[in-house]
Amino acid sequence: SAVISQKPSRDICQRGTSLTIQCQVDSQVTMMFWYRQQPGQSLTLIATANQGSEATYESGFVIDKFPISRPNLTFSTLTVSNMSPEDSSIYLCSVERRAETQYFGPGTRLLVL
Amino acid sequence: GQNIDQPTEMTATEGAIVQINCTYQTSGFNGLFWYQQHAGEAPTFLSYNVLDGLEEKGRFSSFLSRSKGYSYLLLKELQMKDSASYLCAVRDKAAGNKLTFGGGTRVLVKP
Repeated sequence: SAVISQKPSRDICQRGTSLTIQCQVDSQVTMMFWYRQQPGQSLTLIATANQGSEATYESGFVIDKFPISRPNLTFSTLTVSNMSPEDSSIYLCSVERRAETQYFGPGTRLLVL
Repeated sequence: GQNIDQPTEMTATEGAIVQINCTYQTSGFNGLFWYQQHAGEAPTFLSYNVLDGLEEKGRFSSFLSRSKGYSYLLLKELQMKDSASYLCAVRDKAAGNKLTFGGGTRVLVKP
């Protein structure tokens, strides 16, 4: 498996502001992923973050709203920009390890007022 | 695109067996995963199937039939701590090997 940490674990934000979520892994990984899980829903992939290249976004998600950084092989950030109450969700990062299995971080619980 | 279906909710009794079915449609199947997610926590990996057949891991087993686009997760000797959501996820070569998740099945174990 992998040891993955996320900061912050939770936050309450005002609409119109931005929040940057950090994801740290205990060893180098090629692929990191960012997911959103809205209340009572399953996981939706936001983007794939590879080191040294721009993130690849899924349909419905754009870089201006969710800018991602991947400065090295153990770290990534996701920013939720110009937040609205609809952005209230759990944001999860994951990494791919052996047998192409994804392991998830503990998540960041975001509430936008 | 992909379509992954699993029941929304199931209830079972402690000590019993529960089978959670998952059906999928994908053009480039490259593996099926089951995750367990307790309320308020992140998903944890349970099992991975890429070939047909049954994979057993203690009280949990997962089965795959690629020709039928079908998998199930079998939970035996249910314990109260097994109350959680169980997520089926499919990896698709045609979609860049990304994981697509089903809606999840909430399992409630009663005494």
